[in-house]
Amino acid sequence: AQRVTQPEKLLSVFKGAPVELKCNYSYSGSPELFWYVQYSRQRLQLLLRHISRESIKGFTADLNKGETSFHLKKPFAQEEDSAMYYCALKIQGAQKLVFGQGTRLTINP
Amino acid sequence: NAGVTQTPKFRILKIGQSMTLQCTQDMNHNYMYWYRQDPGMGLKLIYYSVGAGITDKGEVPNGYNVSRSTTEDFPLRLELAAPSQTSVYFCASSRSSNQPQHFGDGTRLSIL
Repeated sequence: AQRVTQPEKLLSVFKGAPVELKCNYSYSGSPELFWYVQYSRQRLQLLLRHISRESIKGFTADLNKGETSFHLKKPFAQEEDSAMYYCALKIQGAQKLVFGQGTRLTINP
Repeated sequence: NAGVTQTPKFRILKIGQSMTLQCTQDMNHNYMYWYRQDPGMGLKLIYYSVGAGITDKGEVPNGYNVSRSTTEDFPLRLELAAPSQTSVYFCASSRSSNQPQHFGDGTRLSIL
């Protein structure tokens, strides 16, 4: 069965420090992966997707098929990065996303 | 554009009661989805629709029904509320299955 695992429910780092939110997936086909973010009092929204290969708000994520991972990284965390982050997997040919449990990131001043 | 609008934002139901969670979008998206999120868990797909008149089950459809009579609206119906349905419900829409999903603010539902 397809699965997305985010091993850290909570992650706390200091401002200016590097941050990495882990995401591992289980899927035998060709994956399409996303990171969604929910800031306090805001809606869940797309942060980035692996096929875009872009950096959004300083975040990047590289799909590693060998390790079945799609970790989200930022070299210098900012306080406004504090939010809930969800990794999601789209199944090839299916109309749905499989979400991980989410990681709550807190950036300390 | 309002995007995806969900009503109500909060609701408390008694066991056995029924209710409809409303979802409407003004982006002319074909695809619409209903998810539930239990505490400490990821979002799980309840039902989805690829267009008006077409609906299909997701991972956790039991206890729910949906309809899609128009492109804009995708209501979720609970017929006999049970405590296990206490959750936060999110509606989302997308232009196609390959496009990002746009989410509503969610409905927090408690069944007592």
